[in-house]
Amino acid sequence: GAVVSQHPSRVICKSGTSVKIECRSLDFQATTMFWYRQFPKQSLMLMATSNEGSKATYEQGVEKDKFLINHASLTLSTLTVTSAHPEDSSFYICSARDQGGNSNQPQHFGDGTRLSIL
Amino acid sequence: GDSVTQMEGPVTLSEEAFLTINCTYTATGYPSLFWYVQYPGEGLQLLLKATKADDKGSNKGFEATYRKETTSFHLEKGSVQVSDSAVYFCALSDRGNDYKLSFGAGTTVTVRA
Repeated sequence: GAVVSQHPSRVICKSGTSVKIECRSLDFQATTMFWYRQFPKQSLMLMATSNEGSKATYEQGVEKDKFLINHASLTLSTLTVTSAHPEDSSFYICSARDQGGNSNQPQHFGDGTRLSIL
Repeated sequence: GDSVTQMEGPVTLSEEAFLTINCTYTATGYPSLFWYVQYPGEGLQLLLKATKADDKGSNKGFEATYRKETTSFHLEKGSVQVSDSAVYFCALSDRGNDYKLSFGAGTTVTVRA
């Protein structure tokens, strides 16, 4: 159980393109989902917390107009990288927490999206 | 604030060797502790967890014990396999930080046949 599906797994596109990444919890409902960015050989950096039915909470230094987050249902959150540029190239990972448990349940991660902007 | 410090890698071992990855933490409250594993090109998978002092998490031959007195959560496996080659992340979540995960830097482990 506790499967999180992230799509697409890889995107290669031209500079200026907007890219949407989907994160779905397949067998549980997630009030809260998280979006991370990971640079090569580094740890995960939390970008934002996605809350179902309300605005996302962004970490300091993350541009909310650049990284649009929509959490329209209990099983789906999307991250849109608007007008992407080469410096946005990275590995983006989402996670979801099962709302059926207490707030300290472990997060379950998607397989990540490798974004390459040419 | 919360922080996690884990042993820097890379770590290279022979098959059937003993693996230890040290992890210590700083937290304001009573955190839950986790080890996640990341295989190449993939997301993170929960390996094991412990939610209170003296709890031992275990999975796939890996173990870690929540030591409050030393604020540690060291990962151990008695006999590693080539398939254990991956990056291992120690992490904590804490009510004082809205249960967001704080990660260590990750330790790359390579097991040679």
